[in-house]
Amino acid sequence: GAVVSQHPSRVICKSGTSVKIECRSLDFQATTMFWYRQFPKKSLMLMATSNEGSKATYEQGVEKDKFLINHASLTLSTLTVTSAHPEDSSFYICSAARSASYNEQFFGPGTRLTVL
Amino acid sequence: AQSVTQLDSHVSVSEGTPVLLRCNYSSSYSPSLFWYVQHPNKGLQLLLKYTSAATLVKGINGFEAEFKKSETSFHLTKPSAHMSDAAEYFCVVGGGGGGADGLTFGKGTHLIIQP
Repeated sequence: GAVVSQHPSRVICKSGTSVKIECRSLDFQATTMFWYRQFPKKSLMLMATSNEGSKATYEQGVEKDKFLINHASLTLSTLTVTSAHPEDSSFYICSAARSASYNEQFFGPGTRLTVL
Repeated sequence: AQSVTQLDSHVSVSEGTPVLLRCNYSSSYSPSLFWYVQHPNKGLQLLLKYTSAATLVKGINGFEAEFKKSETSFHLTKPSAHMSDAAEYFCVVGGGGGGADGLTFGKGTHLIIQP
């Protein structure tokens, strides 16, 4: 149990286009989902936290107008990178938490975004 | 506020010898602590977690970690390394408020297993 999927696993896009990444909890309901960014040989950086039905909370330095997060249901969150630029190329990872009282996050396999 | 420091960016051991990956943390409250492993081109996998129960935590694949509050450490150990253990390991601290808090990741330790 506690499987999280991401789609797509890899995406290549042209500069200036927008890309949507989906994160799904397959066998549980996630009250909270998180989006992380991982740079090459670097740690994961938390970008934002989203609760179902409410606006995402962004970490300092993360542009909320550029990285649009929607958590429309208890099993789906989406991250849209708007007007992507080469510097947005990275590995994006989502995670999901079952409930506020269960202190564990389950991670998706990640999405490799390459902006040309 | 919370932070985590992984003291070694790379650790190299021979197959069959013990593994020690070091981690120190700081937290304003009783933390939850985790070790995750990331194999190349794979997602993060939870090895073990500490959530204020037993201080010696046993995880998967023969790994264990000991929470030492006086030393603010949560080092990861394994008695005998296997080639399949080669991966990136992350020490992670979570908020005391449960899964609704974002995790803070260490910079990672790359474990190399020599044949």
